[in-house]
Amino acid sequence: EAQVTQNPRYLITVTGKKLTVTCSQNMNHEYMSWYRQDPGLGLRQIYYSMNVEVTDKGDVPEGYKVSRKEKRNFPLILESPSPNQTSLYFCASSNRVPGAEQFFGPGTRLTVL
Amino acid sequence: AQSVTQLDSQVPVFEEAPVELRCNYSSSVSVYLFWYVQYPNQGLQLLLKYLSGSTLVKGINGFEAEFNKSQTSFHLRKPSVHISDTAEYFCAVTGSFSGGYNKLIFGAGTRLAVHP
Repeated sequence: EAQVTQNPRYLITVTGKKLTVTCSQNMNHEYMSWYRQDPGLGLRQIYYSMNVEVTDKGDVPEGYKVSRKEKRNFPLILESPSPNQTSLYFCASSNRVPGAEQFFGPGTRLTVL
Repeated sequence: AQSVTQLDSQVPVFEEAPVELRCNYSSSVSVYLFWYVQYPNQGLQLLLKYLSGSTLVKGINGFEAEFNKSQTSFHLRKPSVHISDTAEYFCAVTGSFSGGYNKLIFGAGTRLAVHP
């Protein structure tokens, strides 16, 4: 089954404790992206990757890191989480074709205390 | 900067009534437009998209949307809603701006609540 998976689905952590949210897709997509969803703001792009070893900032990259060492994986790293990073996070992937559908993972709900 | 405005944050409607969810975008360049649906505790699922051609686009679950370039709108409609349509709906745009044709700019979302 074609899908984007994320782990963990739920995470409660404390300020400053490094964490990684994994994202994996099995559709051989070149493009992958991370979004955060906040009430009243919709989804905002954090980082994206056009292909292996090619990443770039989205609209809200502060406090986040990413890497793309393999085509299928695109982990999101919070090296020193803060309460304002409490949010719902989605990973997405698509072909690099204009207008291509983006496929979304199920989401990771992160709470930083 | 590109932006998407969803004019209603919440839309309550009775079952079997028609519904329209409104979306306006700001862009002077060629764009592609999307509607995604998010059911409770799930990721986003594509409802429909406009790339080119006919301005009336049909999607899944009986939804359709009309692209209006002069009004920069892409409103979503369904003639008769069901309880199962209760969800949050997001309008999104991509185009030849920063991040290329893969970057989606989302609206804030419209929560559709269908009542019996």
